[in-house]
Amino acid sequence: NFMLTQPHSVSESPGKTVTISCTRSSGSIASSFVQWYQQRPGSAPATMIYEDNQRASGVPDRFSGSIDRSSNSASLSISRLKTEDEADYYCQSYDTNNRVVFGGGTTLTVL
Amino acid sequence: EVQLMESGGDLVQPGGSLRLSCAASGFTFRNFGLTWVRQAPGKGLEWVSSVNAGGSQTYYADSVKGRFTISRDNSDNSLYLQMNSLRADDTAVYYCAKGRWSSGVQFDSWGQGTLVSVSS
Repeated sequence: NFMLTQPHSVSESPGKTVTISCTRSSGSIASSFVQWYQQRPGSAPATMIYEDNQRASGVPDRFSGSIDRSSNSASLSISRLKTEDEADYYCQSYDTNNRVVFGGGTTLTVL
Repeated sequence: EVQLMESGGDLVQPGGSLRLSCAASGFTFRNFGLTWVRQAPGKGLEWVSSVNAGGSQTYYADSVKGRFTISRDNSDNSLYLQMNSLRADDTAVYYCAKGRWSSGVQFDSWGQGTLVSVSS
């Protein structure tokens, strides 16, 4: 099975743009859709992006997702950063046997 | 509005058993796959098990295969996770997640979670 690798943490200032990467260890990043989830401290995860680049209902357009076949990775970009965006972010995909894979998570600090 | 409400979490001794439940509402339950995801204290999300919409296909992480059983009751809008031979490393918050499609490998809604603690 494959793994999804994320940076442990990222930080950026309010109003700026940050990008979180998610690299697939084997097989093409394009072979199965990537999802992104936000988890604020003490809360359940919430879906932000599905099918690589589709925003979930109610998610502001400051959030966007993409994949890059050349680096075999997916990315979550958050523009016009707000302090409320501070959270853990997880990428997720699946294999041909419907086995689900999560990335290790990235802690975003907005300072 | 989709609602998922987990229950059944408790403190249990190593080797013991526990059954988690997830009561669902706000959508046509029988049409969507469902998944259990867990999160150990201070750790990331870990996929545990999934079941397709009809309940005929089930999938398990290697860490729980042979010990946990996922099931669903489409007449009662409920999802279950039977957990046997529990170990200390099964300690986690267990979330129920609704799939976007019948296979359930993309999640669009999550419950608030139920805590399972395995300790003597």
